[in-house]
Amino acid sequence: QITLKESGPTLLKPTQTLTLTCTVSGFSLDTSGMSVGWIRQPPGKALQWLALIYWNDYKLYNPSLKTRLTITKDTSRNQVVLTMTDMGPVDTATFYCARRRAGSSSPYFYYYMDVWGGGTTVTVSS
Amino acid sequence: SSELTQDPAVSVALGQTVRITCQGDSLRTYFASWYQQKPGQAPVLVVFGENDRPSGIPDRFSGSSSGDTASLTITGAQAEDEGDYYCNSRDTSGNHLDFFGTGTKVTVL
Repeated sequence: QITLKESGPTLLKPTQTLTLTCTVSGFSLDTSGMSVGWIRQPPGKALQWLALIYWNDYKLYNPSLKTRLTITKDTSRNQVVLTMTDMGPVDTATFYCARRRAGSSSPYFYYYMDVWGGGTTVTVSS
Repeated sequence: SSELTQDPAVSVALGQTVRITCQGDSLRTYFASWYQQKPGQAPVLVVFGENDRPSGIPDRFSGSSSGDTASLTITGAQAEDEGDYYCNSRDTSGNHLDFFGTGTKVTVL
């Protein structure tokens, strides 16, 4: 069974750094083609894609948040870690990690997140 | 391009058919994936690729694509299909980033 589970603090003060861990099971982070992403959702708002890390350690970031985000993985621990600096009240959200897959059906390629964690809610308040 | 536009809300009578659309330039290059989200729950993948469903997703969910628009159709909507639906694609700017649509709230009457 493939599972992902987010963990981290539930409450932060403004300017603090958020560190979230996604612990995966049922698949390996170093399997060719594998990637894991982070997504957040402010209360009552839409999903926002944050970052992605590939099996070969290639990393992608949302351009609007790139200066604040760092994504890493520890294959031996089956964990993907997201850090987000300088947190503010507008960053209050539920954060999800998800496994991302890819496929093709000529002439199109496609990408999808097939398994999601249950999410962890982070509140930023003084 | 990194924008995907969805209608904010649609409603459908129980047992009827509803189509949810997602519009964006990237959909001329990539198939969209679709996610259902119920209140307080994580999103769930319902359709991906040309028209594939993960195991356990009912066949009343189907996807299609034409030009810059992707569609998710629920044929014979059930009460449990009520929720928010998001499309997802990859941008075509060369940054290889993913992004989500604005979301559609589906109400089953």
